[in-house]
Amino acid sequence: DIQMTQSPASLSASLGETISIECRASEDIYSNLAWYQQKSGKSPQLLIYAANRLQDGVPSRFSGSGSGTQYSLKISGMQPEDEGDYFCLQGSKFPLTFGSGTKLEIK
Amino acid sequence: EVQLVESGGGLVQPGRSLKLSCAASGFTFSNYGMHWIRQAPTKGLEWVASISPSGGSTYYRDSVKGRFTISRDNAKSTLYLQMDSLRSEDTATYYCATDYYSSFAYWGQGTLVTVSS
Repeated sequence: DIQMTQSPASLSASLGETISIECRASEDIYSNLAWYQQKSGKSPQLLIYAANRLQDGVPSRFSGSGSGTQYSLKISGMQPEDEGDYFCLQGSKFPLTFGSGTKLEIK
Repeated sequence: EVQLVESGGGLVQPGRSLKLSCAASGFTFSNYGMHWIRQAPTKGLEWVASISPSGGSTYYRDSVKGRFTISRDNAKSTLYLQMDSLRSEDTATYYCATDYYSSFAYWGQGTLVTVSS
């Protein structure tokens, strides 16, 4: 199985701050990487797919990058509504696997 | 507007069965692969099973293989998950989701399955 190592586990950011979350795959996943935001009690929402493609309706302050085994999600200018849990997903090979999550809070 | 509505969750004893449904609307259901994903209380996300647009190909995580069956009825735009021999570790909120570029684009609101005596 492909292991997804996500870091950090938690993050506290000030309004307007730029933050990054990382995911490292245990093998090459060929940019089959997606990022999700999940708010408390809600379903996850797709932010980024294919490593760097912004899902329709997602604010442009979210961006994704990476290739091979290393990927990152950047939020350029933290907003109050960005609080929540963030997960990466590798869609390269079954079983599909998620990162362990990052809890993002406002400082 | 894409809508996915799960149903069928509830409290069930270990060893018993449950069948989840996911009613889809707002898109051409038969064109898309579909997935089931679960999330145990206060835990992370875990992929459970996937099915191709035609239903001809299915995939499962090892821990549910032989116990769970994913299926679909394209005429009814409905996805199913038959869960047999349920265990306490299957307790989770179960989400259905559409496939999109090897990711899960749209998710339902989830249905809670609790396996307990």
